Amino acid sequence: AQTVTQSQPEMSVQEAETVTLSCTYDTSENNYYLFWYKQPPSRQMILVIRQEAYKQQNATENRFSVNFQKAAKSFSLKISDSQLGDTAMYFCAFMKHEGGNQFYFGTGTSLTVIP
Amino acid sequence: NAGVTQTPKFQVLKTGQSMTLQCAQDMNHEYMSWYRQDPGMGLRLIHYSVGAGITDQGEVPNGYNVSRSTTEDFPLRLLSAAPSQTSVYFCASTQMGRVLLAPLHFGNGTRLTVT
Repeated sequence: AQTVTQSQPEMSVQEAETVTLSCTYDTSENNYYLFWYKQPPSRQMILVIRQEAYKQQNATENRFSVNFQKAAKSFSLKISDSQLGDTAMYFCAFMKHEGGNQFYFGTGTSLTVIP
Repeated sequence: NAGVTQTPKFQVLKTGQSMTLQCAQDMNHEYMSWYRQDPGMGLRLIHYSVGAGITDQGEVPNGYNVSRSTTEDFPLRLLSAAPSQTSVYFCASTQMGRVLLAPLHFGNGTRLTVT
């Protein structure tokens, strides 16, 4: 079974600063997808960024980027120039590429951006 | 596009009552799933379906039933509600080819309280 671990239940960052959220996972698969989802107070789940394991290049989406270390099974999310609207719960998720029919989620990191 | 629509948004039940949480998607997604979200536990998969007429259990299926008579709808039934089922429930869907075509698209959630 796959497991996803987010070891930081809560974090805070000053507006305009940079913050990194950690995620590690355990799998014997070689091909898989990794995701970061954002859940603001509105409760909506929003896809932030995704990474295919076969791609060595780290994914980026505007102010959001990942540091994907396949050998270390690490997938951290970096938020640059933090904005008040980034305040949310962030979930890391894993999905197998072959025979995958389940997404596995971490327990989440609650991020607060301080004005 | 409506995307994934969940109803109701809020529900209060008494122990032993039954109810159905509705989920509909208009994206022609083959894969649909139900998660529950509890503090400190992330999102846990209850049931999922890879197409009409096909359902399977996830991580926490006990106390819940599902059916998939059409591609669009995937209702979740609580036959005899228990306080342990107090949670926020999310329906999510995605396309399928030979494998799941990520990412998951989420509904806005249903907050269920069982007294």
